[in-house]
Amino acid sequence: GESVGLHLPTLSVQEGDNSIINCAYSNSASDYFIWYKQESGKGPQFIIDIRSNMDKRQGQRVTVLLNKTVKHLSLQIAATQPGDSAVYFCAENTGRGGTSYGKLTFGQGTILTVHP
Amino acid sequence: DGGITQSPKYLFRKEGQNVTLSCEQNLNHDAMYWYRQDPGQGLRLIYYSQIVNDFQKGDIAEGYSVSREKKESFPLTVTSAQKNPTAFYLCATDRDTYTGELFFGEGSRLTVL
Repeated sequence: GESVGLHLPTLSVQEGDNSIINCAYSNSASDYFIWYKQESGKGPQFIIDIRSNMDKRQGQRVTVLLNKTVKHLSLQIAATQPGDSAVYFCAENTGRGGTSYGKLTFGQGTILTVHP
Repeated sequence: DGGITQSPKYLFRKEGQNVTLSCEQNLNHDAMYWYRQDPGQGLRLIYYSQIVNDFQKGDIAEGYSVSREKKESFPLTVTSAQKNPTAFYLCATDRDTYTGELFFGEGSRLTVL
């Protein structure tokens, strides 16, 4: 079946550095991609999303890049802070309607650790 | 504030027992979901419901059951038929029906002794 995966399961950075978390996806029909942040013992929180007709989207300190040619998604966090330490998941949605309605396929997750 | 309430947060059960996890939302979202999360793995879909009195199996529905009698409530029962029930269970609603973005509860951790 289709799947979403991550290149690196762990990432360790110093406070103030920029972080880049990568994600590979395999379903070329995926229409939306979403990044979630999950802190220990809590539910995932939405960070940013991007639609397949875009290649870049920026939020507050975060940027998501989409490369459809190689089916690659990345999350960039600028000036990483200790509070950014968490597990980051990418998820893909193949679109609205039918059996794919609201069903996201999640990657394994990358553990980001930020050292003060 | 609107949100999703899952209870209990921690639950222990003996093998062979059924257990029901509660999920209540006051967001007025139509669709609700149950995901299972195991260490080092992504979230896997158990069941979802788009409207009251209707629900569909997800990717790993075996050993689980749900009901959707009210829009606000979507309880999940982990039955004795579930061979490996120890996991972190997450309930979610459809925050954005266009993108499929989900809004998650805080989760319930089930441990089978």
